Amino acid sequence: AQSVSQHNHHVILSEAASLELGCNYSYGGTVNLFWYVQYPGQHLQLLLKYFSGDPLVKGIKGFEAEFIKSKFSFNLRKPSVQWSDTAEYFCAVKGGAGNMLTFGGGTRLMVKP
Amino acid sequence: NAGVTQTPKFRVLKTGQSMTLLCAQDMNHEYMYWYRQDPGMGLRLIHYSVGEGTTAKGEVPDGYNVSRLKKQNFLLGLESAAPSQTSVYFCASSYMGQEQYFGPGTRLTVT
Repeated sequence: AQSVSQHNHHVILSEAASLELGCNYSYGGTVNLFWYVQYPGQHLQLLLKYFSGDPLVKGIKGFEAEFIKSKFSFNLRKPSVQWSDTAEYFCAVKGGAGNMLTFGGGTRLMVKP
Repeated sequence: NAGVTQTPKFRVLKTGQSMTLLCAQDMNHEYMYWYRQDPGMGLRLIHYSVGEGTTAKGEVPDGYNVSRLKKQNFLLGLESAAPSQTSVYFCASSYMGQEQYFGPGTRLTVT
């Protein structure tokens, strides 16, 4: 069975700081990976996804993630965060019956103005 | 194009009561999913459907039932609510198991 670990549960940064959120996965099949963001009181929105090809994936709002197969990692990065990036971020791997998504526990990011 | 919608947005139940959550999508997606979100645990799959008339169990199916009588609708039922089912419930849909689109969620409290 697949699993996802997000090691940072809470992160606090000042505006303009750089961000890196860790994500490690376990899955034996073809890997499809996702980062979703949930702004306060809202539903999940897709930030970016990796299916194949270039392991450096660019998403919306200046986010990017790098798939490193040897490390089973898919870390999320942003060079300079803004107050509006305050949200909870979820890493997920797709696979198994029904192409289900398995989510990590989430990382709650707070950006101080 | 409304995407994925959920009804109701909020609900409070007493232990033992029943209710049905409705999910509707207008994207003609084959696959639909029900998740629950609990603090520190991410989202966990309750049940899913790969097409009209079909349903299957996910990671945490106990205490829930589902039905997919129409392609655009996916219903989640709680026959006898328990406090452990207090959670935020999200529905999602996808085209043939690709990227999932999520609804706005239903916040359920069971007292």
